[in-house]
Amino acid sequence: GEDVEQSLFLSVREGDSSVINCTYTDSSSTYLYWYKQEPGAGLQLLTYIFSNMDMKQDQRLTVLLNKKDKHLSLRIADTQTGDSAIYFCAESIPGGSYIPTFGRGTSLIVHP
Amino acid sequence: DGGITQSPKYLFRKEGQNVTLSCEQNLNHDAMYWYRQDPGQGLRLIYYSQIVNDFQKGDIAEGYSVSREKKESFPLTVTSAQKNPTAFYLCASIGTGYNQPQHFGDGTRLSIL
Repeated sequence: GEDVEQSLFLSVREGDSSVINCTYTDSSSTYLYWYKQEPGAGLQLLTYIFSNMDMKQDQRLTVLLNKKDKHLSLRIADTQTGDSAIYFCAESIPGGSYIPTFGRGTSLIVHP
Repeated sequence: DGGITQSPKYLFRKEGQNVTLSCEQNLNHDAMYWYRQDPGQGLRLIYYSQIVNDFQKGDIAEGYSVSREKKESFPLTVTSAQKNPTAFYLCASIGTGYNQPQHFGDGTRLSIL
């Protein structure tokens, strides 16, 4: 079955890079997503990657995928206080019932 | 702008009362979902619907009910049978296509009076 795991907390200094990690268990072809949730709000899609890709970059965000180890990471360059939020990793299998499996979320705290 | 609208943003429930959370989308999405979020527990699926007039239970459906009479609307009723309803409730939808991510509303926070 599917299972997605993330560490619960990450604290970084403003201006440093943040790396949020995620592991998943399903080896089927899959889409992997990163969402951001600010306090009291819904989840906002940041980026996604298909499992036949190794890397995807979008401005300050870099997603790295190690398919062999089923490990996904989200790197945020030049982290700002506005990046403080909960970040969720999620996976879904194309052709299934479109029910993504979410990790528990990583709380990113950015301090001056 | 297309999106998902949840209302109300805050809701209070008295003991023994049923309350209904609204979720409306104008994205023309077929599939809609309800999640419950508790601190440190991520998202747990309550119900989902892939087409009008059809819905399935998720992982924690007990004490909840839904309807899907229109494509745009997927209301969630928290019944008196749900003994611990205090949580943040999120509605989401997905368009057709294998690489479509979920779109989320801004959530409803339900508390017990």
